[in-house]
Amino acid sequence: DTAVSQTPKYLVTQMGNDKSIKCEQNLGHDTMYWYKQDSKKFLKIMFSYNNKELIINETVPNRFSPKSPDKAHLNLHINSLELGDSAVYFCASSRGPDEKQYFGPGTRLTVT
Amino acid sequence: AQTVTQSQPEMSVQEAETVTLSCTYDTSESDYYLFWYKQPPSRQMILVIRQEAYKQQNATENRFSVNFQKAAKSFSLKISDSQLGDAAMYFCAYSDSGGGADGLTFGKGTHLIIQP
Repeated sequence: DTAVSQTPKYLVTQMGNDKSIKCEQNLGHDTMYWYKQDSKKFLKIMFSYNNKELIINETVPNRFSPKSPDKAHLNLHINSLELGDSAVYFCASSRGPDEKQYFGPGTRLTVT
Repeated sequence: AQTVTQSQPEMSVQEAETVTLSCTYDTSESDYYLFWYKQPPSRQMILVIRQEAYKQQNATENRFSVNFQKAAKSFSLKISDSQLGDAAMYFCAYSDSGGGADGLTFGKGTHLIIQP
């Protein structure tokens, strides 16, 4: 059973488009996250969501918005895609903010 | 803001040998958590080991152990009896405690090569 799943695993799209990446966890965790891994493999937190509280990394453009329809899902919406948005996006979840994080398989986004 | 530094972009070790990956961090907090994550070519992020700052005892997981030096803000990972499957990117990461869901702060990673 997959603990944290993301769809799609690969996404190729053109500049200016709007796209979404879905994330689901079946672990019953209370906290979910989105990370961005750039072409140099550097991982950076984008958002965390815990008990309906959203924490946003100040460097994330407001074209990015997470949406949580329920506790098991934290989807990532991206508007007006830019070339610099090309990266691998990881969803993660944990039982609590201090606990071990379980990562999804990642979504490789390519903007052309 | 917290920072995590991995000073070795790449390390190479012979199979069955021992290798140590370095990590230092900067924080003004007294209570926090440190992690090592492994990312093989499949890109899956896999937790290797977790250390709670208030615990003086170094964490171990089978062939993986850490040397946690709180005063020096150092958190190195030792891999004993290296195996070909250990080849991967290794990321050191930091997390605040205190209940805030700020996520992990990662270092830039060390690419570990295992020579057969």
